[in-house]
Parts: sequence; C-alpha cells; structure tokens
Amino acid sequence: SAVISQKPSRDICQRGTSLTIQCQVDSQVTMMFWYRQQPGQSLTLIATANQGSEATYESGFVIDKFPISRPNLTFSTLTVSNMSPEDSSIYLCSVVSGQGTDGYTFGSGTRLTVV
Amino acid sequence: QKEVEQDPGPLSVPEGAIVSLNCTYSNSAFQYFMWYRQYSRKGPELLMYTYSSGNKEDGRFTAQVDKSSKYISLFIRDSQPSDSATYLCAMIHSGNTPLVFGKGTRLSVIA
Repeated sequence: SAVISQKPSRDICQRGTSLTIQCQVDSQVTMMFWYRQQPGQSLTLIATANQGSEATYESGFVIDKFPISRPNLTFSTLTVSNMSPEDSSIYLCSVVSGQGTDGYTFGSGTRLTVV
Repeated sequence: QKEVEQDPGPLSVPEGAIVSLNCTYSNSAFQYFMWYRQYSRKGPELLMYTYSSGNKEDGRFTAQVDKSSKYISLFIRDSQPSDSATYLCAMIHSGNTPLVFGKGTRLSVIA
C-alpha cells in the first residue's frame, strides 16, 4: 500500500491565521481524501481532493474555509483558513491506491491547536 | 440517525480475554466493511476488511458481517496490552468512495 508523508505533524496557531497541511504520497494514487478528527470523536470527511479540478466538499465544509489543492496524483494540500479554537483537531489525509479496499491508507495526521 | 453507530466505550479487559467490538449501520448499500486500529497520536491503520456478509480470520482477529441485520463485529482472541487502542469500523458503497466511520471504541487491555 502507499506510504504517506503528512506535514506538519503538529502546530499551535493563533486565531485568525491560516495553516497549510501537506500530503505527499510515494506513488500515484487514484483518490485522495481529507478528514477531520475532533477530540474524542471519529473521522469526518471534509472533502475529496480532485486532481486538476476543484475539490468536492461534504455538507458543512466550504472552500473558503478549507481550500484544497491537488496539482498531481501524488500531492495535495489542505489549508485551514481564518482559524478559531473550534478548528483545533487532527487533520488526516487518506489515499486509495489501485483497486480494492486494502488500498485505503492514512497519513499520521496533523494535530492542530488554535489559541 | 447516524449512518454508522459504534459504542465509544471505553472498554477495559484483562490480558488474555476475548474482545468483541460491534457496529451497526443503516444504509443497506454498504458493501465493504473495514476495521481500523488507531494508536494514540497516530493515523488509523487497516486491520481487516470484508466484502458483503461472512467471516474473515487473520491470526487473533476475526471480522464478521451480517448484512441482513446490518451488524458487523470484530473479535480479538487472547488480547494483549499492545492491542490497547481505538478501534474504528468503516464502510463504503463501492471502491474508491470515501470511508464512512463509526465513532470508534477505546479498548484497554490490562496486564
């Protein structure tokens, strides 16, 4: 399965600022997703990152708040904009490589604290 | 009603016990069922996946799916302290669609 490098692993940010999270994969992948995991909660899908076009956002998530780029088949970024303490979460990149469900892999996550 | 329901626990068992983790779901379109293990401060790692109904065994782990009841289970035999983690069930309609997760069950295996 694919190996994901997600950066930064953690950050503490001031409210009102923005943070860009990077997801680099060691091979070309079919699909890339971004999830949020709030403290003590499960994973919630933010959006599907589409290569060469706008991301597909889930209900409750908007492009102005969470702009996503995917310039090629191995790289994507998620930006958390105009942050507030409510954005404190773990953000996870997930990819699907090849066919079959055993291809769903997760990065180690970015632990974000907004103060 | 959430699409996937999972008791968050926490669940605490002695070493060597058999652990049973469960999820129920409401959408009959789900076809692939997965169990992920997440250690603290790490991303989820895939433990097992099952297509449609049936059982699948891998070492100390057994996954069961009952589509008629919309119920899936993960059994851990001879549990070890290293099994202490959060276990998340996840499911999808078809390949290459996003995973839908349960809330996760926090398991502690006490030596």
